[in-house]
Formats: sequence, structure tokens, C-alpha cells
Amino acid sequence: NAGVTQTPKFQVLKTGQSMTLQCAQDMNHNSMYWYRQDPGMGLRLIYYSASEGTTDKGEVPNGYNVSRLNKREFSLRLESAAPSQTSVYFCASSPGTGMNQPQHFGDGTRLSIL
Amino acid sequence: QKEVEQNSGPLSVPEGAIASLNCTYSDRGSQSFFWYRQYSGKSPELIMSIYSNGDKEDGRFTAQLNKASQYVSLLIRDSQPSDSATYLCAVVSGGYQKVTFGTGTKLQVIP
Repeated sequence: NAGVTQTPKFQVLKTGQSMTLQCAQDMNHNSMYWYRQDPGMGLRLIYYSASEGTTDKGEVPNGYNVSRLNKREFSLRLESAAPSQTSVYFCASSPGTGMNQPQHFGDGTRLSIL
Repeated sequence: QKEVEQNSGPLSVPEGAIASLNCTYSDRGSQSFFWYRQYSGKSPELIMSIYSNGDKEDGRFTAQLNKASQYVSLLIRDSQPSDSATYLCAVVSGGYQKVTFGTGTKLQVIP
């Protein structure tokens, strides 16, 4: 049972390049989330989706876009990567449509912007 | 004032001792509280969830919630070297529409 699967696991980009981080869950969860984790900053919510067809901004949405493609998949796009977006990105999911249930995390994507 | 505060540590305890990890939060209306464990280079994994005042026990782990004082704590009994990790506190507020993570406390269990 895979849980939450993120691809790729590692990526190096040049400033200005674009890319999409993929996330899929096989637990039939309603809510999905994208976080970034930086040293000393903890996990910060970028975007979340409470259900298929809905997305909402989190704490740090600038420079990112998301797509909830279907119930299983939630992608994060960097349109023009900047060095400040160098981070570890985690996708997570939870069963309900609110945030009051535990989240299950993917293994993360380590992204470096040069 | 940070919304969710944790001492970054490291908190060092000898093997077999009780480790006590604390988290304070600013939003008095917060409803749900979670403790996650994160090993270095890995993703967070849920340890405990707690929703009402009091203690909740699961094996060697006990979560304690005091809404009046706005803190939540995690006790780890009989600490093992495998418990060495960073422990993240997460608080849900805003009518279940906002989740805030603390920066985590690094725990080191010394054999």
C-alpha cells in the first residue's frame, strides 16, 4: 500500500525554469496539501484542497499554482523558479474535508534552484 | 508571538528516562492538536492526536492538552535511542480551516 506518492524525489532547476511536482494518494482521502519545509521555519502550508475541484491558499502561496486533477492527484507548479524556492516539498492527505484529522505525508521532493 | 511555539532543543535524555516535549499556541479557539515525529531526511509521521482537555495514552506515548493554559505536551516513557528525532506539534484552528506547525523539538536519547 503506497499511501502518498510524490515525484520526483530530487530535482535541480535553474532560475526561471518551470516544473510541476506530482502527488498521488491511494487512500480515498478528500483533503490534500502541499507544504514546504525550510531549516528553522518548520512546515509551511502552500496550498490545500478540501475536495476534488476546490483549492485554497495557505500561508505561503506566492510563486506557486496547484491543480486538483481528481480525487487522487494534486500537483504543485512553479512557473518561474527562484532560488528562494529551494526547499523540501511535502504532499499530504487526510480523510475529511476539514483539517481536523491527521495527515499522511509523502516522502518529499528535494528541490534546488540555482 | 509565534502561533505555535516549541523549544528547538536539542533535548537530551538518557535511555529509559521520560522525555517531555512542550508546545504552546496562541489561538484560544484551536480545536485539534497533533504530534508528528520526523527522522532526519524523512517525512513526518503521526504519533498522537488529541482533541479534548486531559491526557491521552498510546503505548509509551502520552499527549496532554490544557486549553485554558494553551499548551499541549508529549511524554515519552522509557525513551529509546530509536526515539531520537524531531517532534513537530501541529495545531488546527479557524473552524478546521487552518493548520499551523511548530518548528519542532529535536530529541536525543543517549544510550
